[in-house]
Amino acid sequence: ETGVTQSPTHLIKTRGQQVTLRCSSQSGHNTVSWYQQALGQGPQFIFQYYREEENGRGNFPPRFSGLQFPNYSSELNVNALELDDSALYLCASSLDERGQRYFGPGTRLTVL
Amino acid sequence: DQQVKQNSPSLSVQEGRISILNCDYTNSMFDYFLWYKKYPAEGPTFLISISSIKDKNEDGRFTVFLNKSAKHLSLHIVPSQPGDSAVYFCAAITYSGAGSYQLTFGKGTKLSVIP
Repeated sequence: ETGVTQSPTHLIKTRGQQVTLRCSSQSGHNTVSWYQQALGQGPQFIFQYYREEENGRGNFPPRFSGLQFPNYSSELNVNALELDDSALYLCASSLDERGQRYFGPGTRLTVL
Repeated sequence: DQQVKQNSPSLSVQEGRISILNCDYTNSMFDYFLWYKKYPAEGPTFLISISSIKDKNEDGRFTVFLNKSAKHLSLHIVPSQPGDSAVYFCAAITYSGAGSYQLTFGKGTKLSVIP
């Protein structure tokens, strides 16, 4: 069974650019959530998708958006990057909305 | 406003001794708590959880204690092993109206077990 994978591993962007991060859920999982972990902080909930619909959102501005595809893979898009967006971005998949979350290794985003 | 607090950024323990990691929370609506372990370059992995209707949950070397009146929980690892060296996150579940939930994490405590 393949676990949760994320790509790319590392990414460097400049302020004002846009970025897309990708996540492949564990097989059979229909729910994916995204978290931002800034340096020295715990992961913070960005949003969650269940069967291709967003069904939960944390305290993040609209320039953070996402997609979940029919195969349950997912994307996190961030527009108009700011320096404070530099962080580790984690995705987690689960069998359903209330299931145990399985995290991927994360994408390290650096905004210069 | 941090609703889940881990006030010790780091902890060092000798191999074979007990490790105690602490967590406080402010939101009395939290009713389910989890501990995650994170190694470098890996995502957090679930370790153990506890419901607010219990005050203790045990799984092998890991025990979580919950004191609801004090809004405090702790993770005990006995005996500690060098492989336990990692960052430990305390997390609480917040349910959304759609039947789903999100995790609210603390900042983490880095545990170092010295051989």
